[in-house]
Amino acid sequence: SYVLTQPPSVSVAPGQTARITCGGNNIGSKSVHWYQQKPGQAPVLVVYDDSDRPSGIPERFSGSNSGNTATLTISRVEAGDEADYYCQVWDSSSDPENVFGTGTKVTVL
Amino acid sequence: QVQLVQSGSELKKPGASVKVSCKASGYTFTSYAMNWVRQAPGQGLEWMGWINTNTGNPTYAQGFTGRFVFSLDTSVSTAYLQISSLKAEDTAVYYCARELDIGTSCLDYWGQGTLVTVSS
Repeated sequence: SYVLTQPPSVSVAPGQTARITCGGNNIGSKSVHWYQQKPGQAPVLVVYDDSDRPSGIPERFSGSNSGNTATLTISRVEAGDEADYYCQVWDSSSDPENVFGTGTKVTVL
Repeated sequence: QVQLVQSGSELKKPGASVKVSCKASGYTFTSYAMNWVRQAPGQGLEWMGWINTNTGNPTYAQGFTGRFVFSLDTSVSTAYLQISSLKAEDTAVYYCARELDIGTSCLDYWGQGTLVTVSS
């Protein structure tokens, strides 16, 4: 089955930029979605189809996808951005399935 | 506004069954597929499968066949997840999530989650 690998943790100072990677075989050929999950809450979609933002999501959240790596970038990080972030793709192989990344804990210093 | 409201927490004994509900509002229920996602304590997100709310046809991910059943009651815009022969390892938060568009895999709205605890 398809595997998405994320770094377990990323630390960033307020006002700086956080970059969260999501590695997968030829992930650039797939549409990648990103979710933010704060403790005790349901996930929230923050980026879909590699780089689109749902309404209500700040422009500080952006995404890119090429080759074997997709990236979620959070600019001008705020304390409220501290959360777990998950990437997700649809793998249309012999046994199609939704696949989530391993998750990245973003800590705002 | 779109809302998915799930039923409350459940405490069950091993071998019992549980049925989790997910009531949708704010949109046409049968126009969007419904997915189910599991999150074990301290773990990541795991996709369980989805149900076509127009046809009622369910699709289960590997590892979620046999004891897991997705169903619908379109008259009340509600999706259900039933788990039978519960095991301790089924202890998790279960989420329903609407799919933005069939085939996109993007989950744009999520329920608040239902904690199912399996313990003797």
